[in-house]
Amino acid sequence: QQQVKQSPQSLIVQKGGISIINCAYENTAFDYFPWYQQFPGKGPALLIAIRPDVSEKKEGRFTISFNKSAKQFSLHIMDSQPGDSATYFCAASIEPGGATNKLIFGTGTLLAVQP
Amino acid sequence: ETGVTQSPTHLIKTRGQQVTLRCSSQSGHNTVSWYQQALGQGPQFIFQYYREEENGRGNFPPRFSGLQFPNYSSELNVNALELDDSALYLCASSLWSAGGETQYFGPGTRLLVL
Repeated sequence: QQQVKQSPQSLIVQKGGISIINCAYENTAFDYFPWYQQFPGKGPALLIAIRPDVSEKKEGRFTISFNKSAKQFSLHIMDSQPGDSATYFCAASIEPGGATNKLIFGTGTLLAVQP
Repeated sequence: ETGVTQSPTHLIKTRGQQVTLRCSSQSGHNTVSWYQQALGQGPQFIFQYYREEENGRGNFPPRFSGLQFPNYSSELNVNALELDDSALYLCASSLWSAGGETQYFGPGTRLLVL
């Protein structure tokens, strides 16, 4: 029940295209859903995050779509650029105030944007 | 940059040895979490410290222990190293508040156990 399932494992997109990465969760107590971007040799960097009271959040070229009833959320990268080539992780956690705010990560998606 | 630093960047140890990894959090952040990231996997939660006390632990044995200090630095100690402990160890600092928190990750320490 603590798992976050992420797909696809890898993704190749042409420059200018849309990259879409999907995640699904089981624990309905999760109420914070961030996406992290990780380049080789670096730690994960927060890209964008959403809470379940909204169905979509957009920041620049990055959009999270959230479907509470389906327990799914996805990251859309519009106008994908070669510089977006990295590994992307979805995650989920329970807001502090009760349980420890540990992040449960998906298994990652390796995105390659071809020029 | 997140303002979170870790040392050392790389480390090689042999099985059975002990290791201490260090993390310096963002100034003012009262919470630090440690994660283990095996090659090709997502980070796995080890434990979290809040105001110098352990505040939750993942599925890791007691030979993984930690400390958090008043100056926002923290340590991860691993005793009796095993080959499977080879991984990238990440610390993440955050400010615990009623409005939730964002965790900021350091660059990690790459540990290789031979």
